[in-house]
Amino acid sequence: EIVLTQSPGTLSLSPGERATLSCRASQSVSSSYLAWYQQKPGQAPRLLIYGASSRATGIPDRFSGSGSGTDFTLTISRLEPEDFAVFYCQQYGSPPKYTFGQGTKLEIK
Amino acid sequence: QVQLVESGGGVVQPGRSLRLSCAASGFTFSSYGMHWVRQAPGKGLEWVAVISYDGSNKYYGDSVKGRFTISRDNSKNTLYLQMNSLRAEDTAVYYCAKDGHYGPLAVLYYYGMDVWGQGTTVTVSS
Repeated sequence: EIVLTQSPGTLSLSPGERATLSCRASQSVSSSYLAWYQQKPGQAPRLLIYGASSRATGIPDRFSGSGSGTDFTLTISRLEPEDFAVFYCQQYGSPPKYTFGQGTKLEIK
Repeated sequence: QVQLVESGGGVVQPGRSLRLSCAASGFTFSSYGMHWVRQAPGKGLEWVAVISYDGSNKYYGDSVKGRFTISRDNSKNTLYLQMNSLRAEDTAVYYCAKDGHYGPLAVLYYYGMDVWGQGTTVTVSS
């Protein structure tokens, strides 16, 4: 079973700064099977990225995803006040099975 | 607009059953796989189950296998989750979510869960 480990657990940054969030898999994952979500307090998650690097509909281009193998990254180029939230990576595997990372909280410094 | 609305949550005693519903609108429900995802209080997301667009294929997370059953009624645009033998650790907000792939569950590429409901809360307690 593939385990996704996200780091850091909490990231404290200021608006306008660049955010880099990491997702590491316990074994190699196809980049086609990696997604990222954003969840704000009291709200449902929102799909940001699928296929490791494709932005979902309506997602601003300041959000980007990259990576392959066991290491994947979500980058927010210039933080806006509304970007602060918890972010989850997720992978799809057989049989199907869908696994989430434990999350990274992005908070205002 | 595309919308998912969950219902059926509540407080239930351990060992009892509960059925959740998810009403879909704004898209062709019968053409997409559907998921249930849950989130325990203060915790992260846990995938629960998925059903294919036509209901012919169903898959479950290890923690609910044998106790929960996912189903759908395409004539009513509604997804269900039958939860039996409930345990305290099943306490969570339960979300339904639309699979991002049109047609069969994708095996060569994963399009994510692109539409989510607002969630319904299930509390298992005596």
